[in-house]
Parts: sequence; structure tokens; C-alpha cells
Amino acid sequence: DVKVTQSSRYLVKRTGEKVFLECVQDMDHENMFWYRQDPGLGLRLIYFSYDVKMKEKGDIPEGYSVSREKKERFSLILESASTNQTSMYLCASNRDRRYNEQFFGPGTRLTVL
Amino acid sequence: LAKTTQPISMDSYEGQEVNITCSHNNIATNDYITWYQQFPSQGPRFIIQGYKTKVTNEVASLFIPADRKSSTLSLPRVSLSDTAVYYCLVGFTGGGNKLTFGTGTQLKVEL
Repeated sequence: DVKVTQSSRYLVKRTGEKVFLECVQDMDHENMFWYRQDPGLGLRLIYFSYDVKMKEKGDIPEGYSVSREKKERFSLILESASTNQTSMYLCASNRDRRYNEQFFGPGTRLTVL
Repeated sequence: LAKTTQPISMDSYEGQEVNITCSHNNIATNDYITWYQQFPSQGPRFIIQGYKTKVTNEVASLFIPADRKSSTLSLPRVSLSDTAVYYCLVGFTGGGNKLTFGTGTQLKVEL
């Protein structure tokens, strides 16, 4: 089975802190994605990556950056956390562009105080 | 990206067949239709994907009419464990694999 793991299930940070959310997949997938999920808004795509060192903006990239130094790892960075970034963050991976089947991690519930 | 519209919520009872319909009037020629399931405190899980006509797997069927402007996810004989949020998505698999999740349909199954 494909496994996507995220570094923390719950995280509490203060406004202005730099936050790193890590995601690792073990199936050699090319594509990786970061979403946030908020009540009433569904899942919204923040950034995605097709390959090492490659990144593309999703629908809501403002306030976030990403890093993909290794194929299996995709990091989401909040340079200066704000309270409106309190959310559930979900990482996903996918074999290649021909398929819409994405495998999701368990999510990180981030609270910014 | 094609916008999708699906009911906010549905209720059913154990053992019944549940059909969730999604409309996607501006679906593009290259778009596929994909459904995901999400339980509380978990990430979404892929259920089924199709392009046209009917697709069936071990958990669901997907019906797509000829004009592809809508699709119906069919769950046979639901159980309490099928209570979840179901998302309908359309997307071009070769064009960046960028999928848009809407707000989904909350299915509640009761005894």
C-alpha cells in the first residue's frame, strides 16, 4: 500500500513563527500536492510539484512556499504564520499525470495563536 | 477547471442503494470524472474514476451519460461505515493533474 506520512498530526504555533510541514511518500510517486481544508470551503490546492526542485502554484499560494529537494519529500513552509492560516493541511501524492488517483496523508491540524 | 455541483447532504438507511449525482456542465473533452470519500480526521480516499458510460469496481459504480454533463456515484447496500463526505471532481489528467475539490456531499447512513 502507498503510504503518505506527515510529520505532525497536531501543531500549535504563534503568529510570526516560521512553520515547516513535512510530507513523505514511499512509492516513488512523481507528483506531490499540498492542500488546506476549512469548513464550508472544501479542499483547496496550495502548491504542487511534478519533480524534484519543481513547483507550481495552486489556487491559494499566498503566504506559503514549498520545497522538494528529494523525490519522496515535499515540504510546506509558512514563512510568517498568521491566524488565518489555522487549518487542516493535507499532503497527497500521485503516480503520474495520467491518473487522478491521489493518495492522501492523515493531515496536520495547525493552530496559529 | 470545470465546476461541479452536488447536494450538500443525503440521508439513507443500511442496506439501501445510494445514488449521488454531480453536475458538471462545462466539462472539457479531456476531463475525467473522479470521486473521493473522506471520513472525519482523515485524508480523502480515491473511490472511482471514469470518462464515459459506466465504470464499476468493488465498492461503487459510476454512471456517466453521453453528454457527460453529469455523473452519478452509486453505492450498493450502504452500511453505517459508508457515512462520509463524497467529493466529485473533474480534471484533465494530462494537464497538470490539478484537481479542484468542492465542498462535497455529506452522506449519513442510519440503522
